[in-house]
Amino acid sequence: NAGVTQTPKFRILKIGQSMTLQCAQDMNHNYMYWYRQDPGMGLKLIYYSVGAGITDKGEVPNGYNVSRSTTEDFPLRLELAAPSQTSVYFCASSPRSSGYEQYFGPGTRLTVT
Amino acid sequence: DQQVKQNSPSLSVQEGRISILNCDYTNSMFDYFLWYKKYPAEGPTFLISISSIKDKNEDGRFTVFLNKSAKHLSLHIVPSQPGDSAVYFCAASVRDKVIFGPGTSLSVIP
Repeated sequence: NAGVTQTPKFRILKIGQSMTLQCAQDMNHNYMYWYRQDPGMGLKLIYYSVGAGITDKGEVPNGYNVSRSTTEDFPLRLELAAPSQTSVYFCASSPRSSGYEQYFGPGTRLTVT
Repeated sequence: DQQVKQNSPSLSVQEGRISILNCDYTNSMFDYFLWYKKYPAEGPTFLISISSIKDKNEDGRFTVFLNKSAKHLSLHIVPSQPGDSAVYFCAASVRDKVIFGPGTSLSVIP
């Protein structure tokens, strides 16, 4: 049981490049989330999904896209990377919504230069 | 507009003493409040939660108190241990969304 896995661990992108951050969970959780954490700040919700085929915007969705074709996977796509997207990205999953604990992956540290 | 606030960026406490971490919120629609702990280079891990209809929840050394009229909650750690040194995030949920505070860095001094 690996829990929530994220790849890659680190990545450096040039301005304007695109990439996909991968997230997978093996706990059969319906709910999945993407957060970003900037230095000295809390976690900001980017996108979330309540089940396969269903996604919705969080607090800071601009510049990102997601898809949820399976229960296990929830990739985050960055199009036209900008320096403002330099951050640590965390994926999380939960068996239920509202108040139930989320299980977090180890994070992806992304630098855009 | 910051809906979940943790006004103390850092806190230092002697080992064995009580640590009190505070959190304020603005949205009265939040139905659950959670605390997460985060070590460097790791993802956050869940610590304890409380429903908005309760005023206290206890789990071992950790107790969370909720004051709905003041829109304030606090996490008490007794006794504090060096392994508790981490960043603590307060979070609040409404329907499918969870909003996190900026975190408080706790240092427990041996």
